[in-house]
Amino acid sequence: ETGVTQTPRHLVMGMTNKKSLKCEQHLGHNAMYWYKQSAKKPLELMFVYSLEERVENNSVPSRFSPECPNSSHLFLHLHTLQPEDSALYLCASSQAQFNYGYTFGSGTRLTVV
Amino acid sequence: KNEVEQSPQNLTAQEGEFITINCSYSVGISALHWLQQHPGGGIVSLFMLSSGKKKHGRLIATINIQEKHSSLHITASHPRDSAVYICAVKADKLIFGTGTRLQVFP
Repeated sequence: ETGVTQTPRHLVMGMTNKKSLKCEQHLGHNAMYWYKQSAKKPLELMFVYSLEERVENNSVPSRFSPECPNSSHLFLHLHTLQPEDSALYLCASSQAQFNYGYTFGSGTRLTVV
Repeated sequence: KNEVEQSPQNLTAQEGEFITINCSYSVGISALHWLQQHPGGGIVSLFMLSSGKKKHGRLIATINIQEKHSSLHITASHPRDSAVYICAVKADKLIFGTGTRLQVFP
């Protein structure tokens, strides 16, 4: 374990389902991130939260909805996804935005059927 | 063209070989990360460097800021080194390369 825990590890969902991905860190970090990793492509930054405030949203479709209730927890709510949304979703945290102590979780492998 | 380019994309080696993975970038940066991703998906930070050279065990990372180039070396490679190695540069945010898939055979 790296200190950033993601659940579930694997998720299969239909296009009409609603599900949520969870990320938890107890490293005392103030910034948390959601990334998408598709095959053969670099990691894509989706959302950045700094001190529980969303500071970046990289043109992500509204079917992805993040939530950061406190500095230790980050959620990604999913609804009416498309098959092309199947990917590995990685959470990360750092002491300050894009700064030291950058730590990734193990990811959630999402398959949309 | 990606702002961060890695080479090679795939690399196979025999156990014990010396490995070099290269990263070139085209933007101004304040730091560069080398990351390791195992088949399970989790990513581990190996190095963060802004100048010179860092060494940790069998891993060595170097950076040349003027040439906008970094290398990751693995000495005496081992099958457990098999993973995807990702270079990421810190500009206004982290920009990632597509990774180098390394397989080390016994």
